[in-house]
Amino acid sequence: EVQLVQSGAEVKKPGESLKISCKGSGYSLTSYWIGWVRQMPGKGLEWMGIIHPSDSDTRYSPSFQGQVTFSADKSISTAYLQWVSLKASDTAMYYCARLTWFRESYAFDIWGQGTMVTVSS
Amino acid sequence: SYVLTQPPSVSVAPGKTARITCGGNNIGSKSVHWYQQKPGQAPVLVIYYDSDRPSGIPERFSGSNSGNTATLTISRVEAGDEADYYCQVWDSSSDRFYVFGTGTKVTVL
Repeated sequence: EVQLVQSGAEVKKPGESLKISCKGSGYSLTSYWIGWVRQMPGKGLEWMGIIHPSDSDTRYSPSFQGQVTFSADKSISTAYLQWVSLKASDTAMYYCARLTWFRESYAFDIWGQGTMVTVSS
Repeated sequence: SYVLTQPPSVSVAPGKTARITCGGNNIGSKSVHWYQQKPGQAPVLVIYYDSDRPSGIPERFSGSNSGNTATLTISRVEAGDEADYYCQVWDSSSDRFYVFGTGTKVTVL
């Protein structure tokens, strides 16, 4: 079965660092882009950026450039999303999702279950 | 950057047809994908490339795209279709490559 499994929920204080993970199975992680999507409580989906695990080529949405870092370890089929200094406004559900090319466009066809990040003092 | 506008909510009786619109400038020239997100769950791709269904998605889900509006149609609506629905396009000309719509809450009466 093709799936993405994300790490568990996190509760952090403002200023702390955090790295969450997204492990792929059932397919070759290095053959597809992985995207990260934020969903703040009660809000819609926001695209954060993408990473290609084969060479760690990354593209960030301007809204998230400089705020987060994507990385990947292809030896263990895992992508990561990292913060150096969390803010309360980072409280959200974070999804990783596989990007697949469908004839003329990319779509997110496989999603992780999400990682809830709560930042509170 | 490219903007996709959806109605905040759509209400429909069981067995009827729900239509969810996604408005964008000349969206008919782009490929539109649709996602269903049930409460407490991750999104699921239900329509890709305007009107194609991934395996496992019921035929009751269909899509169309023309001009400035794309539409997701759910026929013979069931209680289990109650969810948030998002459209999405890939805008290669923008630095925000992957654009999601504002989302529509479908309520089954």
